[in-house]
Amino acid sequence: QVTLKESGPGILQPSQTLSLTCTFSGFSLSTYGMGVGWIRQPSGKGLEWLANIWWDDDKYYNPSLKNRLTISKDTSNNQAFLKITNVDTADTATYYCARMGEYFDYWGQGVMVTVSS
Amino acid sequence: EIVLTQSPTTMTASPGEKVTITCRASSSVSYMHWYQQKPGASPKPWIYETSKLASGVPDRFSGSGSGTSYSLTINNMEAEDAATYYCQQWNYPSWTFGGGTKLELK
Repeated sequence: QVTLKESGPGILQPSQTLSLTCTFSGFSLSTYGMGVGWIRQPSGKGLEWLANIWWDDDKYYNPSLKNRLTISKDTSNNQAFLKITNVDTADTATYYCARMGEYFDYWGQGVMVTVSS
Repeated sequence: EIVLTQSPTTMTASPGEKVTITCRASSSVSYMHWYQQKPGASPKPWIYETSKLASGVPDRFSGSGSGTSYSLTINNMEAEDAATYYCQQWNYPSWTFGGGTKLELK
């Protein structure tokens, strides 16, 4: 059974760095072809892909946010991480992690993050 | 980066009605994937690789298309189908989502 769960700070201030953790089970990020992606969704709005990391440590980023994003993984602990630097109120959203190949086949429940002074 | 444009943005349908949601890509893509999302819930994979139904998806749903034009169709709308649907594509090195189509029950 594949499960993913996101965790994060809940609230942070503008200019801070947002650190998110995705803890998963039922698959391994050391297995050929496996990947984990991060997607966010501001309240009442659509989905935005942020970044992916793959079994071979290959990484891809949304070009519009690339300079602010860092994705990483801890294979032994079945975790993936996303850092977003210099956050702004526009980064307020629900953040999801999802297992992926060409598409996202299992999703976490999401974690709400609010950026506010 | 490939941009996906969904239409309509919002629509209503009566029970039993046929529904078609369109997703147009700014450049040709190999496949289109679709997700269903209901309020307060995570998106669910719904149709993958253009026309394959995800596990548990009723067979009144279908997907089709190629190149820059894709669609999701519901034959015989049911109340449980009211949701927001998103298309998604992968074209190295980016994944993108459409803006979503909110489908409401009339």
